[in-house]
Amino acid sequence: KAGVTQTPRYLIKTRGQQVTLSCSPISGHRSVSWYQQTPGQGLQFLFEYFSETQRNKGNFPGRFSGRQFSNSRSEMNVSTLELGDSALYLCASRGNSGSETQYFGPGTRLLVL
Amino acid sequence: GENVEQHPSTLSVQEGDSAVIKCTYSDSASNYFPWYKQELGKGPQLIIDIRSNVGEKKDQRIAVTLNKTAKHFSLHITETQPEDSAVYFCAASMGGSSNTGKLIFGQGTTLQVKP
Repeated sequence: KAGVTQTPRYLIKTRGQQVTLSCSPISGHRSVSWYQQTPGQGLQFLFEYFSETQRNKGNFPGRFSGRQFSNSRSEMNVSTLELGDSALYLCASRGNSGSETQYFGPGTRLLVL
Repeated sequence: GENVEQHPSTLSVQEGDSAVIKCTYSDSASNYFPWYKQELGKGPQLIIDIRSNVGEKKDQRIAVTLNKTAKHFSLHITETQPEDSAVYFCAASMGGSSNTGKLIFGQGTTLQVKP
């Protein structure tokens, strides 16, 4: 099976812009979680989607949003970018609501100038 | 709130030695504890996990132990090899029917294995 894929892999934006990141889970997986990784804060949970519904959300401002499509692919959007949003954004997929194991993609490296 | 403390932040060992990384969690409802290895430029890769109904689990050179009473869990790597050099993360979450897909991660341990 192919692993979790994320596009794009690298992105450069300027302050105030918005960005959309994409994640395709492992085939058959219905849950996608998003995480932000920075040197200072480490890995932090953003939100999880299961069957197109957001089931859990971390402590991030409303500028961070997401959605999931019927084919389980997920997108994450950040509006009004700030310098502090520069990070590696990771998505992880798992099979169903009872499955605990999360498999991570390679991430999207976002640089905000 | 939910928190996972991980120690040490850096660890340097000689090839062939053992390495131990320790984590402590705060939420007593946590019952699923995975360990991830992250190499440069890659996403975290699951290397082993343990559930709260098990005290120890082993997979070749890697083992994880869990002390629910003390809320501690540890990763043990034996006979380390240079390719074990990476950043290791512990995490905790509520598993089973309470699983919400939210992993709380430790701050990471940079392991260097010297040839």
